[in-house]
Amino acid sequence: GDSVTQMEGPVTLSEEACLTINCTYTATGYPSLFWYVQYPGEGLQLLLKATKADDKGSNKGFEATYRKETTSFHLEKGSVQVSDSAVYFCALFNTGNQFYFGTGTSLTVIP
Amino acid sequence: ETGVTQTPRHLVMGMTNKKSLKCEQHLGHNAMYWYKQSAKKPLELMFVYSLEERVENNSVPSRFSPECPNSSHLFLHLHTLQPEDSALYLCASSRLAEYNEQFFGPGTRLTVL
Repeated sequence: GDSVTQMEGPVTLSEEACLTINCTYTATGYPSLFWYVQYPGEGLQLLLKATKADDKGSNKGFEATYRKETTSFHLEKGSVQVSDSAVYFCALFNTGNQFYFGTGTSLTVIP
Repeated sequence: ETGVTQTPRHLVMGMTNKKSLKCEQHLGHNAMYWYKQSAKKPLELMFVYSLEERVENNSVPSRFSPECPNSSHLFLHLHTLQPEDSALYLCASSRLAEYNEQFFGPGTRLTVL
């Protein structure tokens, strides 16, 4: 069945460091791919998405490219800020009208 | 209020209690969802309601009973829960035609003693 695997955390970075959170997926057909972010005490918020191969999603300085050949959708940011501290979830949405989420990666950015 | 709201935000209950979680959306959506978020596990979809009818029930134990009286409100009734049911319960909503654009509430942190 469909599934998402993302790197385990927690991840701790200094402010202005580069971030990569790896995400790979298994799916039949052509899923849409998403990154959601969950700030402390809040629900999940859509960060970015890509609906077809080679699409790049971007928002708030974060980027992820839909790579069908490697079945990946890694999240990247060139310079993280303290306010980026949160839990990040990779997810796919497929023809069954259902999301499949990863386990989440906790990011802490220290000043 | 805007977006998706959930009450209570925190709930502690014994295994013999009966309680209910409430979700309300102010986005004009007509599909609503319950998810369970446990530590170090993927989000688990529990129930999906479309136009107030349940369309998905992912093998959830009967001690969890959903109710959707109208398109803006969703409840999760809890009865004789187990300690392993302790988790964050998230509600989400979307337009029917855009299942993949789900908006989440802040969740209810449930602890079962």
